[in-house]
This record gives sequence, C-alpha cells and structure tokens, in this order.
Amino acid sequence: GESVGLHLPTLSVQEGDNSIINCAYSNSASDYFIWYKQESGKGPQFIIDIRSNMDKRQGQRVTVLLNKTVKHLSLQIAATQPGDSAVYFCAEIEGNAGNMLTFGGGTRLMVKP
Amino acid sequence: DGGITQSPKYLFRKEGQNVTLSCEQNLNHDAMYWYRQDPGQGLRLIYYSQIVNDFQKGDIAEGYSVSREKKESFPLTVTSAQKNPTAFYLCASSIFASMNTGELFFGEGSRLTVL
Repeated sequence: GESVGLHLPTLSVQEGDNSIINCAYSNSASDYFIWYKQESGKGPQFIIDIRSNMDKRQGQRVTVLLNKTVKHLSLQIAATQPGDSAVYFCAEIEGNAGNMLTFGGGTRLMVKP
Repeated sequence: DGGITQSPKYLFRKEGQNVTLSCEQNLNHDAMYWYRQDPGQGLRLIYYSQIVNDFQKGDIAEGYSVSREKKESFPLTVTSAQKNPTAFYLCASSIFASMNTGELFFGEGSRLTVL
C-alpha cells in the first residue's frame, strides 16, 4: 500500500456522483485484498474483499477492481452519499504471511451535499 | 450483540507509566490483534494471537506486551519503554487464525495521550 505520511490524500465528490479510490500495492505475492472504511474516531469496518484469482467483485453500491499486472486496486462507490464520507484503506495479505495484513496509508473521501 | 469492546476510549498517561488497554470479544473468534494508528497513516501491527496462551510479535512490538489467558481477552500493555506511545490503538479479531479465510472485526479504538 501507499505510505502518505501525515497528510492523507483527499477525494472530494458531489453527492450522487460516483467515487473511485485507488490503491497501489508493492508485494506481487499478495493474493487477498480487503477494503476498509474508517469513520472519524472509530475502528475500520470491512467493505469488500477480493482474491487474486479475480479481477472484479461487486457488492452493494461498491465494486473492487484488481489489476495484478500493475499491482493496482480500486474501490468504486456508486451514487456517493454523505454517509460515505470516511477514510478508506486497502489492505493486502500474502498467502504465506499468515496473519500479517499490510494496510495502505488511506484516502479521505469527502462528500459535498 | 456480539462484538469487540475496547476500554478505555480515552486515556492519558504520564511519561514513565505503564498502561493497559483492554480488549474483549464475544464473537468466539480464535485470533486477536492489536494495531497502532498514527495521524494520517495506516495501521501497523503490534502483536497478534492465534490461540489462547500464544502470541506473536508484529512489526512494531518493541515497548509493548500482551497476554492471552482467555479466548475472549487480549489486553495490551504500553510500557515506559515505548518511546512514542501517543496514538490510536485498535484491537481486532478474526474467526480463524488464517487471514485468508475471513475479515477482521475491529473495536472502536482507544486513544492514548502521553502528557
């Protein structure tokens, strides 16, 4: 995942628009990926996951795309709502790494009414 | 309701003091984890436990200690040896010890501030 130091990248979208949040990962052996949503002052919540044998997975209003060639993961949120405002993290795990989930630095999504 | 409970939510500590953060889960999950989160950054793994009476160091274990005497409980002690303890601490659990088979469930976090 990306390390962004003290300042999170921020994506600002209008309510009702679609949002795309991107994540680059560095470990080509990673085979399981998860997106988490973290609201201010709370713990992260699971949104959607994808395994490396897939390139797309859809949930309710969310889609995750995986491009293993360029080691890139994206989260698409359809019809973004104010309640979607949060920090979004991608996380990756290598099959042989046991419980060592590696988190990216996060992207802050701000939804304008 | 099932879930993970962390306490206290906010904690202030003087330099040189040890503090213990509580984490309890009633999800009957095998594995439990402690992460540290600093402002604007991702989560870093401190310790994890796959089974009672066993735990493993994560990426940043120095200055921390844990115990897993019961399946439901995984307390974290931040010792005086931790040089920069001010952070947001997150406890999590997973149904199986292997991350590839399920998601992490997180608590609400404990914010520790060293005065």
